[in-house]
Amino acid sequence: GQQLNQSPQSMFIQEGEDVSMNCTSSSIFNTWLWYKQDPGEGPVLLIALYKAGELTSNGRLTAQFGITRKDSFLNISASIPSDVGIYFCAGPKTSYDKVIFGPGTSLSVIP
Amino acid sequence: DTAVSQTPKYLVTQMGNDKSIKCEQNLGHDTMYWYKQDSKKFLKIMFSYNNKELIINETVPNRFSPKSPDKAHLNLHINSLELGDSAVYFCASSQARSYGYTFGSGTRLTVV
Repeated sequence: GQQLNQSPQSMFIQEGEDVSMNCTSSSIFNTWLWYKQDPGEGPVLLIALYKAGELTSNGRLTAQFGITRKDSFLNISASIPSDVGIYFCAGPKTSYDKVIFGPGTSLSVIP
Repeated sequence: DTAVSQTPKYLVTQMGNDKSIKCEQNLGHDTMYWYKQDSKKFLKIMFSYNNKELIINETVPNRFSPKSPDKAHLNLHINSLELGDSAVYFCASSQARSYGYTFGSGTRLTVV
């Protein structure tokens, strides 16, 4: 069935460092979404991508929709302690499909 | 004002009991969802309702029954609770065909 893979599974970085994580699938996706989940809260949408090759920023976050439509990348620049959380990629394969989530990348920032 | 609110936030109950989780959204969205997050943080969709009509029903035991009295509410009733039902259950809402889901803060269910 549909499956999303995320890497790395977890990251421990120093405050101020840049972060890169990615999401891949064996199937083509029409939309890629990046969510962040803070401890004890529900996921919050960070960035949505709708076209192959699209590059979108939201503050210190930048995400890209892969050209092959089978992957997406999320970068965080100059990390700060409040970036701690789990980052999920997600998406529907078609316009009418349910949104499925990847397994997440857990980010820890060391002050 | 909380956009998507779930009650209760924590629920501890014994095996075999029946329990309900309530969800309400004040965003005017027409689609609501239930997701289950397991101990490994994996999020899996359970149900989706659009204007009170069931549109997604994943492979979920029939002990789980969603009910949507109106498009602002989607409740989840669970019968004969089992240990494996322990998880965090998230309610979410969106406009139809929009993938910008707004999630509630979750209900942590512990079955003992």
